Parts: sequence; C-alpha cells; structure tokens
Amino acid sequence: DVKVTQSSRYLVKRTGEKVFLECVQDMDHENMFWYRQDPGLGLRLIYFSYDVKMKEKGDIPEGYSVSREKKERFSLILESASTNQTSMYLCATNRTPPRDEQFFGPGTRLTVL
Amino acid sequence: AQRVTQPEKLLSVFKGAPVELKCNYSYSGSPELFWYVQYSRQRLQLLLRHISRESIKGFTADLNKGETSFHLKKPFAQEEDSAMYYCALETGANNLFFGTGTRLTVIP
Repeated sequence: DVKVTQSSRYLVKRTGEKVFLECVQDMDHENMFWYRQDPGLGLRLIYFSYDVKMKEKGDIPEGYSVSREKKERFSLILESASTNQTSMYLCATNRTPPRDEQFFGPGTRLTVL
Repeated sequence: AQRVTQPEKLLSVFKGAPVELKCNYSYSGSPELFWYVQYSRQRLQLLLRHISRESIKGFTADLNKGETSFHLKKPFAQEEDSAMYYCALETGANNLFFGTGTRLTVIP
C-alpha cells in the first residue's frame, strides 16, 4: 500500500518567511508532484519531478521552487511567502508510464499572514 | 491546449435519486480520463479511470469522444457518496489536468 506523507497538516507563516513543505513516499515511485488546491480552481500543478535532481515546471511555478535530492523525498520551497500563497498543498506520486494513477498525501494547509 | 470543465460547482440530490456529475475535456490527442474523489477529512484518491471500464462503488463513467465528455453516473445515490469529485485528463506526459471540482451532497 502506497504511503505518501507530508511534514505538516497545518502551517502558519508570516509574509516574507521562507517555507519548506516536505513530502515523503515509501513505494519507490519515480514521479512526484506538488499541487495547490483552491476552492473554485481545483488542483493546479506547481512542479513535478521524474527523477532525483530533476524538476519540471507545472502550470503555476511562480514564487515556488523544489528540491529532490533523494528518490523518496520531494520538497516545495516558498522563498518569500506571500498572502496569495495561502492554500492547501498536495503532494502526489506515481510510477513512470504506462499512465498510472497518482497517490496523494494528506495535504498541508498553509496560511500566510 | 488541454482543458477540463466541470460546469457544476455544487450538486445536491436526494438519497436514492440518480446522480450525474458532468465533465467535458478539450484535447486533440488520445486522452486518458480519471475521476478522483475526496471524502471529508480524507486524502484525494482515484475513483475510476476510463481505460479500466469498471464500476466502483456503483459509479460508472463512459468516455464519449464525439462529445468530448466523461460524465460520472450512479443510478441510486447514497449518503456516503457526499464528497468532492474531480475529473482529470492525462495527455501522455504523465501530467494530470484537473477540473475545478464538483461538491456532491446527498440529502437523506
């Protein structure tokens, strides 16, 4: 059974702070994804990674960066948090193609004050 | 460009009534379509995918390439079906494009 964990369920930060969101998976999946989930906007892809040290921009990468130093860990970084980054952040993982379902973490609700 | 449209943000039905959650997509290639569901206080999870052509929890979805639709249907709604439902399109690059979601409420 795939397990995808995220470092925090709830996080409150101040504008301008550097924020790290961590995601860890235990199933040796190659692909990892970061989404943000907002009411009325659905899920939007921020960044994804197909392999260690590899990253690709998604639909809304501005204001974010990522790091993947180990296969099981994918970090999302907000260099200088802003109030419009208040959101639910979801991590997901899957194997390389064929087109496989994505397995999601529980989410981190980030509030930027 | 690829796009997924779920026209209803909210949908309420009575228990035992049929339910249909609409999904339309825009993509010029060969699509792979999914329905994901998020129950209250649970993580987002796959409900079904078109390629498997199976029924999960009484739900089915048929891909209609002519109408570019992938509507989710269930003949008799149950209270435990109340959840947020997302339609998603995968275009072959292993990226999912999600719709904006439909919140289904089943009224007892």
